[in-house]
Amino acid sequence: GENVEQHPSTLSVQEGDSAVIKCTYSDSASNYFPWYKQELGKRPQLIIDIRSNVGEKKDQRIAVTLNKTAKHFSLHITETQPEDSAVYFCAASKPTGNQFYFGTGTSLTVIP
Amino acid sequence: GAGVSQSPSNKVTEKGKDVELRCDPISGHTALYWYRQRLGQGLEFLIYFQGNSAPDKSGLPSDRFSAERTGESVSTLTIQRTQQEDSAVYLCASSFSGGISGANVLTFGAGSRLTVL
Repeated sequence: GENVEQHPSTLSVQEGDSAVIKCTYSDSASNYFPWYKQELGKRPQLIIDIRSNVGEKKDQRIAVTLNKTAKHFSLHITETQPEDSAVYFCAASKPTGNQFYFGTGTSLTVIP
Repeated sequence: GAGVSQSPSNKVTEKGKDVELRCDPISGHTALYWYRQRLGQGLEFLIYFQGNSAPDKSGLPSDRFSAERTGESVSTLTIQRTQQEDSAVYLCASSFSGGISGANVLTFGAGSRLTVL
């Protein structure tokens, strides 16, 4: 199967600083890597995703990078704001089976 | 519908009782997933349905847990003889299976919060 590891489990940054969350995966067949943000008491919501045919994707203050050789991908949030405070989950999925394998989550706190 | 709908949003039950949780996926989504999330924890995979294929039940924690889905519509997760450790938020998600291009966006419902007294 697939094993997704996520680090760090908790992260505190000052408002305006950058935050980086890293995930590794084990199965080289995985080709789709979404990131979900879960605010307290809310459902996980997709914030950005990347497929294995690209190395980086950006959406305003959020970017994701993928290194297929090393089997790791990272979420980068720049100019962090208090509303970025949430739990972030990474995931990996393979084209066969369509199963999603989630990381254990990172609790991000942005200090005003 | 516009999103993934789950009911009930909250359920309080007594230990030993059976509960049914319902998920109505986004219309046209062939894949449906159930996850369990204990307080402050990650997403624990329970079961996955893909079209008319046999479901992937590998995440069900015990034989007290079962789920059904008719075609590409509503799914029901049933927990029999509930225990206190079953207390959690049960999240349903659905996606459109993109076939050769692989997985597509997974959309979550708001969850059903189960409390077993």
